[in-house]
Amino acid sequence: DSGVTQTPKHLITATGQRVTLRCSPRSGDLSVYWYQQSLDQGLQFLIQYYNGEERAKGNILERFSAQQFPDLHSELNLSSLELGDSALYFCASSETGSDTGELFFGEGSRLTVL
Amino acid sequence: GDSVTQMEGPVTLSEEAFLTINCTYTATGYPSLFWYVQYPGEGLQLLLKATKADDKGSNKGFEATYRKETTSFHLEKGSVQVSDSAVYFCALRLYNQGGKLIFGQGTELSVKP
Repeated sequence: DSGVTQTPKHLITATGQRVTLRCSPRSGDLSVYWYQQSLDQGLQFLIQYYNGEERAKGNILERFSAQQFPDLHSELNLSSLELGDSALYFCASSETGSDTGELFFGEGSRLTVL
Repeated sequence: GDSVTQMEGPVTLSEEAFLTINCTYTATGYPSLFWYVQYPGEGLQLLLKATKADDKGSNKGFEATYRKETTSFHLEKGSVQVSDSAVYFCALRLYNQGGKLIFGQGTELSVKP
């Protein structure tokens, strides 16, 4: 158990819809990262937050947005969903976001868009 | 840009065989290097790491040495087990890039009894 909690574990929805994925980082970790894992793109970095502020942005679509709340949990919002958004979405956390240690990953939220 | 390249899979081995999964990286700074493992249906777990040149990371019989001169971090295990069947990801992390992990494409390992 990494200490990172993601909900929901599975989500099935239709094209055009909007979903929210939630992540609770490890106790004490200030930085949260979101990754997308798909068969054709591998593990792609989406976005990082540190203590409520956006720290780094990767290959995140404009239809996607995220935020980190004062209690440090984070949400990833995916809107106008397309079939190609079907993927496993991982959240990870680390202590500061500027250290050289490991990231701790949740078990992921599997999104299926029909 | 910064990137990680892993040997392509899938890799199929018999139990007790020797395993090598090659990993090379390109980085503008001095990264920390990691191997993560993803077992079927599960999330990513840290397998081992090394934070500076010539460091050797090891865990569960797996080893990898940070080679700055060849920009490599190859994963090895002397005798694989069926339970090692998983997807292995090499990754780098740069202090000056916000700390995100940059992953290789993953190598699927299948160990047959």
